[in-house]
Amino acid sequence: AQTVTQSQPEMSVQEAETVTLSCTYDTSESDYYLFWYKQPPSRQMILVIRQEAYKQQNATENRFSVNFQKAAKSFSLKISDSQLGDAAMYFCAYSNAGKSTFGDGTTLTVKP
Amino acid sequence: EAGVAQSPRYKIIEKRQSVAFWCNPISGHATLYWYQQILGQGPKLLIQFQNNGVVDDSQLPKDRFSAERLKGVDSTLKIQPAKLEDSAVYLCASSAGTGASRETQYFGPGTRLLVL
Repeated sequence: AQTVTQSQPEMSVQEAETVTLSCTYDTSESDYYLFWYKQPPSRQMILVIRQEAYKQQNATENRFSVNFQKAAKSFSLKISDSQLGDAAMYFCAYSNAGKSTFGDGTTLTVKP
Repeated sequence: EAGVAQSPRYKIIEKRQSVAFWCNPISGHATLYWYQQILGQGPKLLIQFQNNGVVDDSQLPKDRFSAERLKGVDSTLKIQPAKLEDSAVYLCASSAGTGASRETQYFGPGTRLLVL
Protein backbone atom coordinates (compact mmCIF):
# COMPACT_ATOMS: atom_id res chain seq x y z
CA ALA A 1 0.00 0.00 0.00
CA GLN A 2 1.12 3.51 -0.73
CA THR A 3 2.06 5.73 2.21
CA VAL A 4 2.58 9.47 2.43
CA THR A 5 4.59 11.00 5.26
CA GLN A 6 4.70 14.62 6.28
CA SER A 7 7.33 14.83 8.99
CA GLN A 8 6.61 18.41 10.03
CA PRO A 9 3.36 18.66 12.01
CA GLU A 10 3.81 22.42 12.34
CA MET A 11 5.80 25.11 10.57
CA SER A 12 5.90 28.87 10.88
CA VAL A 13 7.16 31.59 8.57
CA GLN A 14 7.47 35.33 8.69
CA GLU A 15 5.32 37.25 6.25
CA ALA A 16 7.16 37.83 2.93
CA GLU A 17 9.66 35.05 3.71
CA THR A 18 10.00 31.64 2.08
CA VAL A 19 9.06 28.31 3.65
CA THR A 20 9.42 24.71 2.50
CA LEU A 21 7.10 21.90 3.53
CA SER A 22 8.38 18.34 3.27
CA CYS A 23 6.68 15.20 2.00
CA THR A 24 7.92 11.70 1.28
CA TYR A 25 5.98 8.81 -0.14
CA ASP A 26 6.37 5.14 -0.79
CA THR A 27 5.23 3.40 -3.95
CA SER A 28 6.30 0.68 -6.36
CA GLU A 29 4.53 2.38 -9.26
CA SER A 30 6.37 4.41 -11.88
CA ASP A 31 3.44 6.50 -13.11
CA TYR A 32 1.49 8.51 -10.59
CA TYR A 33 0.51 12.01 -9.54
CA LEU A 34 1.42 14.07 -6.51
CA PHE A 35 -0.53 16.95 -5.07
CA TRP A 36 -0.43 19.62 -2.43
CA TYR A 37 -3.78 20.68 -1.03
CA LYS A 38 -4.48 23.63 1.28
CA GLN A 39 -7.15 23.51 3.97
CA PRO A 40 -7.70 26.83 5.79
CA PRO A 41 -9.30 26.60 9.24
CA SER A 42 -12.93 25.45 8.92
CA ARG A 43 -12.79 25.98 5.20
CA GLN A 44 -12.74 23.93 2.05
CA MET A 45 -9.75 21.93 0.87
CA ILE A 46 -8.40 23.36 -2.36
CA LEU A 47 -5.76 22.21 -4.81
CA VAL A 48 -2.50 24.15 -4.66
CA ILE A 49 -0.31 22.35 -7.15
CA ARG A 50 -0.02 19.08 -9.09
CA GLN A 51 2.99 17.14 -10.35
CA GLU A 52 2.93 14.29 -12.85
CA ALA A 53 5.61 11.73 -12.05
CA TYR A 54 6.61 11.32 -15.69
CA LYS A 55 7.51 15.00 -15.92
CA GLN A 56 11.04 15.93 -14.90
CA GLN A 57 10.27 19.62 -14.71
CA ASN A 58 9.06 20.80 -11.33
CA ALA A 59 5.57 22.31 -11.27
CA THR A 60 5.07 25.97 -10.35
CA GLU A 61 1.95 28.00 -9.67
CA ASN A 62 2.71 31.65 -8.97
CA ARG A 63 4.35 31.73 -5.50
CA PHE A 64 4.09 27.98 -5.07
CA SER A 65 6.64 25.54 -6.47
CA VAL A 66 7.67 21.97 -5.82
CA ASN A 67 10.92 20.08 -5.64
CA PHE A 68 10.14 16.63 -6.99
CA GLN A 69 12.85 14.04 -6.46
CA LYS A 70 11.47 10.83 -7.96
CA ALA A 71 14.35 8.54 -7.02
CA ALA A 72 14.26 9.77 -3.43
CA LYS A 73 10.43 9.72 -3.41
CA SER A 74 10.40 13.24 -2.09
CA PHE A 75 7.96 16.01 -2.96
CA SER A 76 8.42 19.29 -1.10
CA LEU A 77 6.40 22.49 -1.46
CA LYS A 78 8.05 25.89 -1.46
CA ILE A 79 5.98 28.97 -0.72
CA SER A 80 7.70 32.22 -1.65
CA ASP A 81 6.75 35.69 -0.40
CA SER A 82 4.46 34.16 2.24
CA GLN A 83 1.21 35.97 2.90
CA LEU A 84 -1.15 35.91 5.87
CA GLY A 85 -3.69 34.12 3.71
CA ASP A 86 -1.29 31.21 3.28
CA ALA A 87 -1.93 30.16 6.87
CA ALA A 88 -3.60 26.76 6.68
CA MET A 89 -3.08 23.06 6.95
CA TYR A 90 -1.26 21.66 3.92
CA PHE A 91 -1.73 18.08 2.79
CA CYS A 92 0.50 16.14 0.49
CA ALA A 93 -1.30 13.48 -1.56
CA TYR A 94 -0.32 10.64 -3.87
CA SER A 95 -2.65 9.37 -6.56
CA ASN A 96 -2.52 6.46 -8.98
CA ALA A 97 -5.30 4.81 -10.98
CA GLY A 98 -7.80 7.16 -9.42
CA LYS A 99 -6.93 6.21 -5.84
CA SER A 100 -5.41 8.72 -3.47
CA THR A 101 -3.49 8.59 -0.20
CA PHE A 102 -3.05 11.66 1.96
CA GLY A 103 -0.44 12.60 4.54
CA ASP A 104 -1.48 13.84 7.96
CA GLY A 105 -0.75 17.45 7.12
CA THR A 106 1.48 20.32 8.14
CA THR A 107 -0.03 23.31 9.91
CA LEU A 108 1.53 26.49 8.57
CA THR A 109 1.45 29.66 10.64
CA VAL A 110 2.33 32.99 9.03
CA LYS A 111 3.59 35.67 11.38
CA PRO A 112 3.00 39.33 10.49
CA GLU B 1 -18.86 26.09 -12.75
CA ALA B 2 -20.50 25.06 -9.48
CA GLY B 3 -18.32 23.18 -7.04
CA VAL B 4 -19.02 20.10 -4.96
CA ALA B 5 -22.01 20.68 -2.71
CA GLN B 6 -22.55 19.00 0.65
CA SER B 7 -25.25 19.17 3.28
CA PRO B 8 -25.71 19.57 6.10
CA ARG B 9 -22.63 21.55 7.09
CA TYR B 10 -22.92 20.64 10.76
CA LYS B 11 -24.68 17.88 12.62
CA ILE B 12 -24.83 16.99 16.31
CA ILE B 13 -26.36 13.68 17.32
CA GLU B 14 -26.28 11.32 20.26
CA LYS B 15 -24.57 7.96 20.06
CA ARG B 16 -26.67 5.17 18.63
CA GLN B 17 -28.67 7.63 16.51
CA SER B 18 -28.51 7.60 12.74
CA VAL B 19 -27.37 10.36 10.41
CA ALA B 20 -27.17 10.92 6.67
CA PHE B 21 -25.00 13.19 4.57
CA TRP B 22 -25.62 14.30 1.02
CA CYS B 23 -23.18 15.21 -1.74
CA ASN B 24 -23.66 16.59 -5.23
CA PRO B 25 -20.46 16.44 -7.31
CA ILE B 26 -19.31 18.79 -10.02
CA SER B 27 -21.46 18.31 -13.10
CA GLY B 28 -20.06 15.63 -15.38
CA HIS B 29 -17.64 14.18 -12.84
CA ALA B 30 -17.82 10.41 -12.99
CA THR B 31 -15.91 9.61 -9.83
CA LEU B 32 -17.14 10.47 -6.35
CA TYR B 33 -15.29 9.95 -3.08
CA TRP B 34 -16.31 10.01 0.56
CA TYR B 35 -13.57 10.67 3.10
CA GLN B 36 -13.49 10.75 6.88
CA GLN B 37 -11.18 13.36 8.36
CA ILE B 38 -10.53 13.13 12.07
CA LEU B 39 -9.18 16.28 13.71
CA GLY B 40 -5.47 16.65 13.11
CA GLN B 41 -5.29 13.91 10.49
CA GLY B 42 -5.44 13.62 6.75
CA PRO B 43 -8.55 12.44 4.93
CA LYS B 44 -9.14 8.71 4.94
CA LEU B 45 -11.05 7.19 2.04
CA LEU B 46 -14.30 5.50 3.00
CA ILE B 47 -15.76 4.73 -0.41
CA GLN B 48 -15.15 5.54 -4.06
CA PHE B 49 -17.79 5.42 -6.81
CA GLN B 50 -17.26 5.35 -10.55
CA ASN B 51 -20.59 6.49 -11.97
CA ASN B 52 -23.02 4.47 -9.83
CA GLY B 53 -20.71 1.51 -9.19
CA VAL B 54 -18.47 1.02 -6.17
CA VAL B 55 -14.74 1.00 -7.00
CA ASP B 56 -13.33 0.77 -3.47
CA ASP B 57 -15.09 0.39 -0.14
CA SER B 58 -12.39 -1.57 1.63
CA GLN B 59 -12.15 0.93 4.51
CA LEU B 60 -15.86 1.48 4.96
CA PRO B 61 -17.11 0.05 8.31
CA LYS B 62 -19.94 -1.81 6.68
CA ASP B 63 -21.60 -2.82 9.92
CA ARG B 64 -22.65 0.79 10.47
CA PHE B 65 -21.80 2.82 7.36
CA SER B 66 -23.56 2.64 4.03
CA ALA B 67 -23.42 4.75 0.90
CA GLU B 68 -25.18 4.90 -2.40
CA ARG B 69 -24.93 6.86 -5.62
CA LEU B 70 -28.14 6.40 -7.49
CA LYS B 71 -28.16 7.44 -11.16
CA GLY B 72 -24.43 8.17 -10.97
CA VAL B 73 -24.87 11.74 -9.80
CA ASP B 74 -25.42 12.70 -6.17
CA SER B 75 -24.66 10.43 -3.25
CA THR B 76 -25.66 9.83 0.35
CA LEU B 77 -23.56 8.45 3.18
CA LYS B 78 -25.34 7.03 6.20
CA ILE B 79 -24.17 6.06 9.66
CA GLN B 80 -26.42 3.82 11.74
CA PRO B 81 -25.90 3.57 14.68
CA ALA B 82 -23.35 6.30 15.33
CA LYS B 83 -20.49 5.88 17.79
CA LEU B 84 -18.48 8.52 19.63
CA GLU B 85 -15.47 7.78 17.43
CA ASP B 86 -17.45 8.74 14.32
CA SER B 87 -17.03 12.41 15.28
CA ALA B 88 -15.15 13.84 12.32
CA VAL B 89 -15.50 15.89 9.18
CA TYR B 90 -16.95 13.95 6.27
CA LEU B 91 -15.60 15.18 2.97
CA CYS B 92 -17.00 14.52 -0.45
CA ALA B 93 -14.83 14.94 -3.53
CA SER B 94 -15.22 14.34 -7.24
CA SER B 95 -12.99 13.92 -10.24
CA ALA B 96 -13.46 13.58 -13.99
CA GLY B 97 -12.20 11.97 -17.13
CA THR B 98 -8.90 10.27 -17.62
CA GLY B 99 -5.27 10.93 -16.88
CA ALA B 100 -4.59 14.05 -14.85
CA SER B 101 -8.29 14.93 -14.73
CA ARG B 102 -9.13 11.60 -13.16
CA GLU B 103 -6.45 11.98 -10.52
CA THR B 104 -7.31 15.56 -9.52
CA GLN B 105 -9.99 15.72 -6.89
CA TYR B 106 -12.19 18.68 -6.02
CA PHE B 107 -13.56 18.82 -2.51
CA GLY B 108 -16.78 20.01 -1.01
CA PRO B 109 -16.94 22.07 2.20
CA GLY B 110 -17.49 18.97 4.35
CA THR B 111 -19.98 18.00 7.02
CA ARG B 112 -18.75 18.35 10.59
CA LEU B 113 -20.30 15.59 12.73
CA LEU B 114 -20.25 15.58 16.51
CA VAL B 115 -21.49 12.47 18.30
CA LEU B 116 -22.32 12.96 21.99
